[in-house]
Amino acid sequence: EAGVVQSPRYKIIEKKQPVAFWCNPISGHNTLYWYLQNLGQGPELLIRYENEEAVDDSQLPKDRFSAERLKGVDSTLKIQPAELGDSAVYLCASSLGTVTDTQYFGPGTRLTVL
Amino acid sequence: GNSVTQMEGPVTLSEEAFLTINCTYTATGYPSLFWYVQYPGEGLQLLLKATKADDKGSNKGFEATYRKETTSFHLEKGSVQVSDSAVYFCALSGGNTPLVFGKGTRLSVIA
Repeated sequence: EAGVVQSPRYKIIEKKQPVAFWCNPISGHNTLYWYLQNLGQGPELLIRYENEEAVDDSQLPKDRFSAERLKGVDSTLKIQPAELGDSAVYLCASSLGTVTDTQYFGPGTRLTVL
Repeated sequence: GNSVTQMEGPVTLSEEAFLTINCTYTATGYPSLFWYVQYPGEGLQLLLKATKADDKGSNKGFEATYRKETTSFHLEKGSVQVSDSAVYFCALSGGNTPLVFGKGTRLSVIA
């Protein structure tokens, strides 16, 4: 069974440019998460979807970050415009249903903003 | 709110040494507790979990016991291998709240 797929794996952009990350969760997983992981830190939740509904986006900086999961399957996270401080690893995870179900993580996208 | 505190690294051990990585938590109610591992260049993988007090999670020779009285979930392994070199994250989830992670502990095992 395929795991969580993320692309690209690495992205280097100039500040003020837009960037998008894509995630395809494990088949049948209704809940999808986007996390931000800064160097030397644990992941921090940005947004959680249950099917196509964003049920927790309280930590998403909505002035520059947006996300969508239109058909309740794959998801896109966008930053526009990117800032130097956005350099980090962006992780996607999925789980079957509730937040207490085991989450399975993708390999992440490492973003570098110059 | 919920939080996790784990020992800071890096931790460097010789092969076959005993490993302990301390983790304590603060949470309301009865959270589930997890250890995740991140090998170089890979995503986080669930190593083990425990969902109620006194449960012991185990996998690949690693163990951790959910201690409600000390609010702890320390990770142990009796004999580490070079292949165990990775970053280990303690995490909890409770009620309707998703995972909250500690900062991670980097383990390096030398032959």
